Order: sequence, then structure tokens, then C-alpha cells
Amino acid sequence: DTGVSQNPRHKITKRGQNVTFRCDPISEHNRLYWYRQTLGQGPEFLTYFQNEAQLEKSRLLSDRFSAERPKGSFSTLEIQRTEQGDSAMYLCASSTLGEQYFGPGTRLTVT
Amino acid sequence: GDSVTQMEGPVTLSEEAFLTINCTYTATGYPSLFWYVQYPGEGLQLLLKATKADDKGSNKGFEATYRKETTSFHLEKGSVQVSDSAVYFCALFPWDSNYQLIWGAGTKLIIKP
Repeated sequence: DTGVSQNPRHKITKRGQNVTFRCDPISEHNRLYWYRQTLGQGPEFLTYFQNEAQLEKSRLLSDRFSAERPKGSFSTLEIQRTEQGDSAMYLCASSTLGEQYFGPGTRLTVT
Repeated sequence: GDSVTQMEGPVTLSEEAFLTINCTYTATGYPSLFWYVQYPGEGLQLLLKATKADDKGSNKGFEATYRKETTSFHLEKGSVQVSDSAVYFCALFPWDSNYQLIWGAGTKLIIKP
């Protein structure tokens, strides 16, 4: 049973650079979610896909953030022109309905 | 709107103590309820769930009962271990939702040997 996987686990980048994170969901799950989590806080919802359709993206933090799920399987989250305030853990989750299963997260540090 | 309220942490207990972490919710209809656990530096793991009133979710010695009359889903464990030290999140999936979990703020649990 392979769970949700995320790559890379850690990313250090300089301010102004672009970064891209990948999420591979549980294979039979058609729903995929991206969250951001800062230290001491709960998950903050960013966006959601059902199959390849992005059904909710109004919570993406700015137009520097974008996500894709081109074939309804893996997904990528891109942050353009990173800022120090983007430093956080980025979590991916997948589900069929109801409970969501999370990956280990990608920790982004912007210097 | 729907919301989840958890007891504030940190909660500090000695090993083998009894644990209760309170969670209450506000929601219309019949939401599903979850507890997630997050160990340091890791993602969130689903600990247990309940999908209807009076359901009891259980896993790894933890239990929680869906109480509609008190709109609560308190997490309990009879004898905690140092390895239970983590942050615990209560979450709600609204009955009319297509996707969005509603999260509590999380409760940090510290178990001392």
C-alpha cells in the first residue's frame, strides 16, 4: 500500500526564484488537495482537484501560486518569484470522499 | 459557518496518565468527524474517524465518540506513552461539502517519562 508521496521533502531557495513541488496521490483517489502549514498552525487549504479539473483555486495565496494535475494523477504546485513569507510546509492530500490522506510534506525555506 | 474548536495546548502529562483532548463543533446536518495526528517534522496522519452520531472511532488505543447532542468528539486514551507526543487536530467534513475539511487549531501533547 503506497501512500501519498511528495518530492522534494526539503527545498531551500533564494528569494525571487521559482520552485515546483510534486505530489503523487494514492492511485485510486480521484481528489487531490494542496495545503500550506506554518509552524504551530493547522493546515491552510490552497486548492483542490477532482481528476484533472481544478474545482477550487480561489484560496491560492496570490497569483504567484499555481497548480496543475494534467492527467488526473500526479500534481504539481509552483510558486513563482518566491518571497521569505512563502517559507512553510506544503502538504498534499488525496481522497475519494471524506477523509483525506496526507503526504509527508515539502518544507520550503526561502532565504 | 461550520467550525471546530479544540482545547488549547500544550497539554503535558506523565506517562501512563489518562488523556482527554476536547473537540466541539458547529455544523449543519450530519458532518463526518476526524482526528489527525502530526508527529514532529512529518505530515498529518488520520488517527480515527466517525461518520454518524454515536459512532465510536478507535485506533492505537485512542477513542472518540461522535456526540450529536453535545456537538463533541473528544479524543481519549487510557494510558499515554512518550511516543504519543505530537500535535492532534480535530477536523470536520460538512455533509454538504464537496471537498473542504474544517480544521481545529491543533493541540500539542507532551508526554513526560
